[in-house]
Amino acid sequence: GAGVSQSPRYKVAKRGQDVALRCDPISGHVSLFWYQQALGQGPEFLTYFQNEAQLDKSGLPSDRFFAERPEGSVSTLKIQRTQQEDSAVYLCASSLAGRTGSSGNTIYFGEGSWLTVV
Amino acid sequence: AQSVSQHNHHVILSEAASLELGCNYSYGGTVNLFWYVQYPGQHLQLLLKYFSGDPLVKGIKGFEAEFIKSKFSFNLRKPSVQWSDTAEYFCAVNGFYYSSASKIIFGSGTRLSIRP
Repeated sequence: GAGVSQSPRYKVAKRGQDVALRCDPISGHVSLFWYQQALGQGPEFLTYFQNEAQLDKSGLPSDRFFAERPEGSVSTLKIQRTQQEDSAVYLCASSLAGRTGSSGNTIYFGEGSWLTVV
Repeated sequence: AQSVSQHNHHVILSEAASLELGCNYSYGGTVNLFWYVQYPGQHLQLLLKYFSGDPLVKGIKGFEAEFIKSKFSFNLRKPSVQWSDTAEYFCAVNGFYYSSASKIIFGSGTRLSIRP
């Protein structure tokens, strides 16, 4: 597709429910990132994939958060036993190459999945 | 650890006023610096970026930013704002030699409101 696509755009979950958020990156993009953006805050890094390999998951806030990208394209962020503090916008981003240090390597963001836990 | 500070949470200007949004970062090594913009209801878009070379970077829509290494700053400027510049602006940094991945660290954002 033309851009990074995320679904669902909006999700309301009851506390304790599991949710799965999908990201379809730009075709051919090697790198994929997940960020969490709470209301009034900047995006916070969650995890990073290069192709199917999860190279950095240091930002995942707890073991309830799990991300995968099994075939190196579509990625899913799963949150188990959701809590109210998980309410946020979850942003997916992708880039062509493996490092933003490359001068031509720009990260493109999706519109986000808005999660509200009630 | 890397961090980014944006000094102004909310800036209100009239059309045609000049704009400067402050950004300071902390990182001891070589950095890549970015400004992203998020218009209401839209996704984050790259406004401009600095990797190396001329510290004065020109971006889209008349925006520019100046990298001052000695001050660890990367302030965003525009000589004359328009109502359509109303948005949230995020400064971000990526340590060039960051060990594992291309982790971009964002500031908390500055909300810019332009009075028509």
